[in-house]
Formats: sequence, structure tokens, C-alpha cells
Amino acid sequence: AQKITQTQPGMFVQEKEAVTLDCTYDTSDPSYGLFWYKQPSSGEMIFLIYQGSYDQQNATEGRYSLNFQKARKSANLVISASQLGDSAMYFCAMSPYNTGKLIFGQGTTLQVKP
Amino acid sequence: ETGVTQSPTHLIKTRGQQVTLRCSSQSGHNTVSWYQQALGQGPQFIFQYYREEENGRGNFPPRFSGLQFPNYSSELNVNALELDDSALYLCASSSAGGGSTDTQYFGPGTRLTVL
Repeated sequence: AQKITQTQPGMFVQEKEAVTLDCTYDTSDPSYGLFWYKQPSSGEMIFLIYQGSYDQQNATEGRYSLNFQKARKSANLVISASQLGDSAMYFCAMSPYNTGKLIFGQGTTLQVKP
Repeated sequence: ETGVTQSPTHLIKTRGQQVTLRCSSQSGHNTVSWYQQALGQGPQFIFQYYREEENGRGNFPPRFSGLQFPNYSSELNVNALELDDSALYLCASSSAGGGSTDTQYFGPGTRLTVL
């Protein structure tokens, strides 16, 4: 079964420090996409970063980077230099080949402490 | 560039009623997907429309139906509302027909409460 697992319901990080949010996935498709989204309390889902299953390099977007370990089927999000505005729910999602859909994990709530 | 918009923002209905939610896709996007997000859960895929045709459907009953219009905006219709339909309904648009590399950009959502 195709599935995303986020094992950290909640995380705390001190402002300006780095934090890693864990994500593991399960699929037998050779081609898939992996995404991270941020959902503040307002509810809107904000796209952060994308990694393709055939990409050799880890994706980076500003302070966000994706630690992609294909053999382990993990796609952890690393946020560097945390800011108070990073406090939100974070979702890992997978797009299986040719399905059109995103499969989401349960999410991780991140709280940044001043 | 205008992002994804949804209306209404909030909606309260009673069990058995019907509801229509609306979504305008981001400029240049031809694909719209709908998701249901129950409180404390990740979003669940309802269906996707690509160039006015349904392009995939999740595990939702037929009382959940949709449309996409020539301008790529979309509607989600839910008939015979049940209490469990109370959720945040998210619309997302994308530009590449829903392939695995297709990044979906979400609107602010419609919060539906069924009493």
C-alpha cells in the first residue's frame, strides 16, 4: 500500500537553530514525487519543496532542504535557522506515478521558541 | 499572478442538505484537485479534474461530485450531507495534468460544518 508516515506528532526548536522533520514513505512505483507543505493555523497549505524519485541531488529551497535517502525510503525536511514564523503544521506528501493525487502523512506540529 | 481562491470561506449546513464549494485555479493552471481534511488529520484526496474531465478519484462515495469549467475553475458538490462531512475542503491547482512531478498549489480552504 502506498503510504506516508510521519512519526513525530510535535516538535520544539529554539529560534535560529536547525530542525529535522521525519518522513518515510512506502511505494512500489519506480517514479514518484515527494513534497513538503506547511499549514499555519489559518489553514492554507503552503508548498515548500519538491524531490523527484530520480533526482540525484537533494532538493533545496532557501532555508529548506530535503534529505532524500531512497534506499531507506525517507524524505526528511531540514529547516535551518528557525524563525518564529516557522511555527505551523508540516505535512509530507507523495505523488505516485500517474495517479494525479497527493498522499499525505499525519503531519508534525513544529513550535519555535524565542 | 493570482493564486488559488475558494469560496465560501465558511459554511454551516444541516444533515441531509446539499452543498457546492467553488475554486478558481491559479493563472496558467489546467488541473484542479480537491481534498478533505478532517480536524487533526492530513488531507485526503477526493478527485482531480484535468481539462474538464475527471482524472482520478479517491475513496469517496458518489454523493461527492465535481465539475471543471472551460476557464479551469471547479466546483465540488456534496449531496445528502452527513455529520462526518464536517471538514476543511482544500482545492489545489497545477499545470501538468497531475503527474508525479506536478506541484499542486492550494487555496485557503472552505470550512464546512454539518449540524
